Amino acid sequence: GAGVSQSPSNKVTEKGKDVELRCDPISGHTALYWYRQSLGQGLEFLIYFQGNSAPDKSGLPSDRFSTERTGGSVSTLTIQRTQQEDSAVYLCASSADLAKLFFGEGSRLTVL
Amino acid sequence: QKEVEQNSGPLSVPEGAIASLNCTYSDRGSQSFFWYRQYSGKSPELIMFIYSNGDKEDGRFTAQLNKASQYVSLLIRDSQPSDSATYLCAVEDSWGKLQFGAGTQVVVTP
Repeated sequence: GAGVSQSPSNKVTEKGKDVELRCDPISGHTALYWYRQSLGQGLEFLIYFQGNSAPDKSGLPSDRFSTERTGGSVSTLTIQRTQQEDSAVYLCASSADLAKLFFGEGSRLTVL
Repeated sequence: QKEVEQNSGPLSVPEGAIASLNCTYSDRGSQSFFWYRQYSGKSPELIMFIYSNGDKEDGRFTAQLNKASQYVSLLIRDSQPSDSATYLCAVEDSWGKLQFGAGTQVVVTP
């Protein structure tokens, strides 16, 4: 595709519900990152996939967060039993050249 | 201590002046350094990268790297109102993971 695609762009959910966020990276990019950005804050690293290697999940804030990357391409980030502190913009980025990231437009999650 | 530190700003710069942004990092094994620009409500976009000590120039932007001091900076010459944004310093750590600073907000005043 032309760029990194994320869906949904906006999600409002009730506390305790599960949500799934999707990222479709640029074709051919082997590296995929998920970051979280709260209002007025910097980017908080969540997870890093590189090719077929085991992902670096060191940034996931709790076991309510899980991710998958199927076929080395599309990735999903699932948050179970959402809490209000999960409200943020979730940014996905992909890269062909290590660390030169191309970001999607983000998924804005609001937990009521 | 955060791995990548930046002054949050806002940094107010008159139009036409030079904006100077600083970033320090903690991982001595870091090899790659990046500056991303983020407009309000938008996603970050890469504007500069630097791997070697010294200066790297691209148009009105100059990145400076000093690995001994664990310091990287960004200069914006002839600042324009369109340069008003948050500038994020990013460092690739020893494990290949990209860590971001909290960002410096730049406001260019006409």
